[in-house]
Amino acid sequence: NAGVTQTPKFQVLKTGQSMTLQCAQDMNHNSMYWYRQDPGMGLRLIYYSASEGTTDKGEVPNGYNVSRLNKREFSLRLESAAPSQTSVYFCASSEAGLTTNEKLFFGSGTQLSVL
Amino acid sequence: GENVEQHPSTLSVQEGDSAVIKCTYSDSASNYFPWYKQELGKGPQLIIDIRSNVGEKKDQRIAVTLNKTAKHFSLHITETQPEDSAVYFCAAKDSSYKLIFGSGTRLLVRP
Repeated sequence: NAGVTQTPKFQVLKTGQSMTLQCAQDMNHNSMYWYRQDPGMGLRLIYYSASEGTTDKGEVPNGYNVSRLNKREFSLRLESAAPSQTSVYFCASSEAGLTTNEKLFFGSGTQLSVL
Repeated sequence: GENVEQHPSTLSVQEGDSAVIKCTYSDSASNYFPWYKQELGKGPQLIIDIRSNVGEKKDQRIAVTLNKTAKHFSLHITETQPEDSAVYFCAAKDSSYKLIFGSGTRLLVRP
């Protein structure tokens, strides 16, 4: 079972460039999430999707957009990358939704550097 | 909103010793407290969780305790092994149902 798959694993961008991080899960989960991980700051929620067709802002949504393409896929887009967006990005999924207390399944991350 | 503080940021123990990581939270309505382990180059994985109606939970060498009055919870690892070396994150689910993570603890188990 692949679980949560993220692409790419590494990316270097110049300031102002755009890119989309891809995420797909094969567990038939309803909810999907994008987190960023910075040294000394733990994981911070960028956006989440409680179900297909819905998206909501998390703690740090500025500078990002998301698309829940279908039940399997949830993409994160940086329209105009900034050095402050240098981070490790994790996609995660869960079976039900936010109101349930359940396990998050994480992908292996995308390391993004913005120069 | 919820704020989760985690201590220490780094912890080094001898193999076989115990390790304790502590977290405090601010939102008294929080009712779910998971712990995640992140190995190098991988995403976090849930290792144990506790709900607010329980004071302690054990799973083999791992235990979590919760003090709702003081708003803190702790992870206890006994008989540590080199494979326990990783970064550990605590988290709390706040009243808006978002999972708020602590800043992480890097645990090193020396053989």
